[in-house]
Amino acid sequence: ETGVTQSPTHLIKTRGQQVTLRCSSQSGHNTVSWYQQALGQGPQFIFQYYREEENGRGNFPPRFSGLQFPNYSSELNVNALELDDSALYLCASSSSGTAYEQYFGPGTRLTVT
Amino acid sequence: SQELEQSPQSLIVQEGKNLTINCTSSKTLYGLYWYKQKYGEGLIFLMMLQKGGEEKSHEKITAKLDEKKQQSSLHITASQPSHAGIYLCGADRTYKYIFGTGTRLKVLA
Repeated sequence: ETGVTQSPTHLIKTRGQQVTLRCSSQSGHNTVSWYQQALGQGPQFIFQYYREEENGRGNFPPRFSGLQFPNYSSELNVNALELDDSALYLCASSSSGTAYEQYFGPGTRLTVT
Repeated sequence: SQELEQSPQSLIVQEGKNLTINCTSSKTLYGLYWYKQKYGEGLIFLMMLQKGGEEKSHEKITAKLDEKKQQSSLHITASQPSHAGIYLCGADRTYKYIFGTGTRLKVLA
């Protein structure tokens, strides 16, 4: 059984650019949630995908968007990057359509300059 | 303000000492999760509490849920350097999941 994986590990982008982060869910899991964790803060919920549909969203602007694929892997896209988008982006997968018993990936560290 | 507030924000203890971390919710708690995070890494699930009065233990870590107080506590007995990291509480809300502010624990050998 493979765990949750994320790519890339680290990324440096310039303000105004666009970025795509990827997440492979744990085998058998159909739900993926994305979180943004700024330095020294707890993770903030961005959105959740369940069976390829967005199933919940936190207080993030529309320039944060996502996709879930038939194999339940997922992408997080952020357009028009701002300096405040610099953070650790975490994805977590679960099998219930909720956040119950989530397993987290190691995260992608995004730096916007 | 945060829905889940943790205290203390940071903690430095000598190896072998006991410590307690608290998580207080501003809304009714129907269940609570505890995670540990090593600096800059993903979260590791520790335990989940679902019922008021429930208490769970894993190795030297014990967590309790007090629904009336809308609070959970995480207690570490005889701390070790391997316990160092960030401890986060989390709770399910409808179609989203929230985390506490985190408690940074350092254990001095």
